[in-house]
Amino acid sequence: DAGVTQSPTHLIKTRGQHVTLRCSPISGHKSVSWYQQVLGQGPQFIFQYYEKEERGRGNFPDRFSARQFPNYSSELNVNALLLGDSALYLCASSSAQGRAGELFFGEGSRLTVL
Amino acid sequence: GNSVTQMEGPVTLSEEAFLTINCTYTATGYPSLFWYVQYPGEGLQLLLKATKADDKGSNKGFEATYRKETTSFHLEKGSVQVSDSAVYFCALSGGSNYQLIWGAGTKLIIKP
Repeated sequence: DAGVTQSPTHLIKTRGQHVTLRCSPISGHKSVSWYQQVLGQGPQFIFQYYEKEERGRGNFPDRFSARQFPNYSSELNVNALLLGDSALYLCASSSAQGRAGELFFGEGSRLTVL
Repeated sequence: GNSVTQMEGPVTLSEEAFLTINCTYTATGYPSLFWYVQYPGEGLQLLLKATKADDKGSNKGFEATYRKETTSFHLEKGSVQVSDSAVYFCALSGGSNYQLIWGAGTKLIIKP
């Protein structure tokens, strides 16, 4: 069975641009979460979606937005990119609705902002 | 707020040595605790978990016990292998929002 897939794996943008990252969860998983991992740090929670509704949001500015589609795939959008947005963006899926249980992670999308 | 503190790395050991990676936490309520591992070039994967005090999680020879009295969840392995070289993250869940809170990670290097 396919695991969590993310695209693109690597991308380079310049300041002020917009980026869209995509995630397909494991088949049957209805919850998708997004995390930002800066080099040398642990992941920071950005969003969680369950059944196409936002269920949680971390301490990120409004430039960050996301959505979940009827097939449970998800997009993370970041507007007006800043140098500090350079990071590995991780998508995780789970079958749990409630408290965070076991998360299954993709390999991430590495964003470099120049 | 909730937080996780891990020992800084890198931790360098010889093969077959005993491993301890310290993890302490601050949390309200009764969080679940996790260890995730990130092997080179791969995504994060769950190594083990414990959902209540005194629970012991174990997997692949690794163990960690949920100690509420010391707010700790230290990772141990009796005899490490070169293939255990990776970055290990301690994390907790709980509270009203659906997220994991992570430590900074500890890089483990095992030399043959």
